[in-house]
Amino acid sequence: AQTVTQSQPEMSVQEAETVTLSCTYDTSESDYYLFWYKQPPSRQMILVIRQEAYKQQNATENRFSVNFQKAAKSFSLKISDSQLGDAAMYFCASMDSNYQLIWGAGTKLIIKP
Amino acid sequence: KAGVTQTPRYLIKTRGQQVTLSCSPISGHRSVSWYQQTPGQGLQFLFEYFSETQRNKGNFPGRFSGRQFSNSRSEMNVSTLELGDSALYLCASSLDRRGETQYFGPGTRLLVL
Repeated sequence: AQTVTQSQPEMSVQEAETVTLSCTYDTSESDYYLFWYKQPPSRQMILVIRQEAYKQQNATENRFSVNFQKAAKSFSLKISDSQLGDAAMYFCASMDSNYQLIWGAGTKLIIKP
Repeated sequence: KAGVTQTPRYLIKTRGQQVTLSCSPISGHRSVSWYQQTPGQGLQFLFEYFSETQRNKGNFPGRFSGRQFSNSRSEMNVSTLELGDSALYLCASSLDRRGETQYFGPGTRLLVL
């Protein structure tokens, strides 16, 4: 079974600085997809970034980028120029062969003004 | 395009009752997935429907069921409610199953007393 591990329950960063959230996963499959979702206090789950495992290039969305290390099964999220609106729970997830999302426990990101 | 909608947003029930939650996917999306989010267990997959067929089911008791209609709207039902069923129930839709991003609704918060 696939597992996703987020080892940082909470992270804090100064506004305008850069922060990296860690995620490791375990899978025996060769074709899979990885996601970072953000859940602000409103509880609405919002997609941050998506990575296809067969693509070696790291995905990027504006201030958000990933460091995808396939051999190490690592999928970290880097947030540059952190903004107050980035404060939220961040969940790492993988999609398995049954196409269900397997979730990490989440990392609470605090932005200090 | 309108996003995923879920009704009701909040619900209070008592033990032993049953509840039905509704989810309307993004127009054109045929896959609908349901997740349960609790502080103790995190995010867990309930089931996924595609073209009115349940394609995949998570590890939940038979009290949890669902269905999908021809317009892709989906409902989930929980019978004989238990205190532990108190949770945020999230619905997500996607274009199809293979690796596509799942877009989430705002959730239904269920409190069982």
